[in-house]
Amino acid sequence: DADVTQTPRNRITKTGKRIMLECSQTKGHDRMYWYRQDPGLGLRLIYYSFDVKDINKGEISDGYSVSRQAQAKFSLSLESAIPNQTALYFCATSDHRRANSYEQFFGPGTRLTVL
Amino acid sequence: SQKIEQNSEALNIQEGKTATLTCNYTNYSPAYLQWYRQDPGRGPVFLLLIRENEKEKRKERLKVTFDTTLKQSLFHITASQPADSATYLCALAPNSGYSTLTFGKGTMLLVSP
Repeated sequence: DADVTQTPRNRITKTGKRIMLECSQTKGHDRMYWYRQDPGLGLRLIYYSFDVKDINKGEISDGYSVSRQAQAKFSLSLESAIPNQTALYFCATSDHRRANSYEQFFGPGTRLTVL
Repeated sequence: SQKIEQNSEALNIQEGKTATLTCNYTNYSPAYLQWYRQDPGRGPVFLLLIRENEKEKRKERLKVTFDTTLKQSLFHITASQPADSATYLCALAPNSGYSTLTFGKGTMLLVSP
């Protein structure tokens, strides 16, 4: 089984709908992240969480919210989706409790299309 | 403003040659720099990390250099293979508690047989 899973993998929705993207990890990592990737713009950080009680805004948090339900689960919500939120969304994890371990592990991505 | 620049044009090389990718940055004092590989439609995969006090790091056919004076990292793949074709991303962690990563936009590498 994959260490970082994302559901759904693909989603098409309409403007104004509420959407939730879910991320689960079995790596036991403390930190989790949500990114979006757009052609020509690269990966941009939306929100990140250093532990269950710590949630932080990233570079582009407007229009998004998150919930860290447990150490292993981190959900991203679009309260009212708009077409420019069409993108590829990635969840990632990292473990900063181990020394010298800073790489991030990415999920397979969710392709979201807002019509 | 802070910038991370990677060559937006694809790099085309022949199999067996050494590929060299560049990552330049401005207005950063990174604690460390990472390189990731990304295949189309898939999540990035970590390759190498180099710290601010390291000049060079190697892993199999991969080599990364880090010049904090030039504000530049070079990523080399020796004896390149068609399977190395992918987009390569550099990412910086600011010198503030090893917090989050900021990614460059990536450079696509195409290795021809």
